[in-house]
Amino acid sequence: QSVLTQPPSVSAAPGQRVTISCSGSTSNIGNNYVSWYQQVPGTPPKLLIYANDERPSGIPDRFSGSKSGTSATLVITGLQTGDGADYYCAAWESNHRVGLFGGGTTLTVL
Amino acid sequence: QVQLVESGGGLVKPGGSLRLSCAASGFSLSDHYMTWIRQAPGRGLEWVSYINEDADSIYYADSVRGRFTISKDNAKKFLFLQMSSLTRDDTADYYCVRGAPGTYTGMDVWGQGTTVTVSS
Repeated sequence: QSVLTQPPSVSAAPGQRVTISCSGSTSNIGNNYVSWYQQVPGTPPKLLIYANDERPSGIPDRFSGSKSGTSATLVITGLQTGDGADYYCAAWESNHRVGLFGGGTTLTVL
Repeated sequence: QVQLVESGGGLVKPGGSLRLSCAASGFSLSDHYMTWIRQAPGRGLEWVSYINEDADSIYYADSVRGRFTISKDNAKKFLFLQMSSLTRDDTADYYCVRGAPGTYTGMDVWGQGTTVTVSS
């Protein structure tokens, strides 16, 4: 069981908005940046969000991130069928000096 | 072109050793921290190890500490992961990943991965 908790799955229709949560604790999300990754099965993950809410170049603004206290949220608006993938949050764990990933959330675009 | 290419994966018996390599191109290893991330078949991502720009800060997941060693050669632009005392739980795709400065887990360039299978 992952220290960072994500819902196993979410679903929504094309064009709609979906949120994916990531819950942790003070020593990880609370005191460190959160990142988000998208992984299409069979391919390496891709960085979507870093430093809580920053998008790398090339990532559309349909993807946004936020953090509040010990939780973080990824929001995807204007869903497209190509957004169907697994999504992972990540954060540093200060107490043990290790990186953490959430268990992953499978997004199904209906 | 910024690129990471892993090699060295393969089939190894339990208790055996393997050395993974990652060739970096298009950027300097002395400007970025690097990590190894793995993914067991059908499972999620697992952070394995971290090495900073100057190789003076190195961290490991509890699951591999004492068995795996991360290192790099900045001049030759290679990252390594020496793995020993391998168990079936180490079976996974191993990704070499570049870190974005100022973060510990903002990793912006991923290799295609190399597969390690531990089996008798």
